[in-house]
Amino acid sequence: DTEVTQTPKHLVMGMTNKKSLKCEQHMGHRAMYWYKQKAKKPPELMFVYSYEKLSINESVPSRFSPECPNSSLLNLHLHALQPEDSALYLCASSQEGGFLGSSYEQYFGPGTRLTVT
Amino acid sequence: QKEVEQNSGPLSVPEGAIASLNCTYSDRVSQSFFWYRQYSGKSPELIMSIYSNGDKEDGRFTAQLNKASQYVSLLIRDSQPSDSATYLCAGGYTGTASKLTFGTGTRLQVTL
Repeated sequence: DTEVTQTPKHLVMGMTNKKSLKCEQHMGHRAMYWYKQKAKKPPELMFVYSYEKLSINESVPSRFSPECPNSSLLNLHLHALQPEDSALYLCASSQEGGFLGSSYEQYFGPGTRLTVT
Repeated sequence: QKEVEQNSGPLSVPEGAIASLNCTYSDRVSQSFFWYRQYSGKSPELIMSIYSNGDKEDGRFTAQLNKASQYVSLLIRDSQPSDSATYLCAGGYTGTASKLTFGTGTRLQVTL
């Protein structure tokens, strides 16, 4: 089973709102990722959690705040977003075994389509 | 040079033909490569991964890796209209194994 779930599927929020995106995987993967994808562009890495610790932050603005409550869950807290933050937000996970090979295969969730008004 | 490069397409092939998708990479990208398929409005779906020089086959898909030429390809045999999608090539950085670099994607159109 290579399922990653994300909620909500769609989200519309105003620039003063606070909202959260949620991601869950039950594959025993130890690495989880947040990506942002704009139309006709490839996914753009935002954050990486490895063994529940933040290991990569790609200089993402502080209005995006990630959280990893446990090895199966990943949240992205949103606050004071701008209209240009409207995009598809993707969560992914991988096994992270420490050697080249299948441990680096990343499996994506269905995404949350975010619109900032 | 971009780290992972793909022709954006569209690549148009008739139904039943072989579709050939290509990707080149720079020295900074590691030897792990992945092909994702993405339908419009959907999330990327992993369809092939390749780590060693040579060919890897899975059903109608064959991934090829040529380290000397820094070249990765995906062949789709007996192309079907349902294969019409954007195909993303991704490579992993040596040393920071969790970080994939994606190409811009090639849009494939399979015509009837």
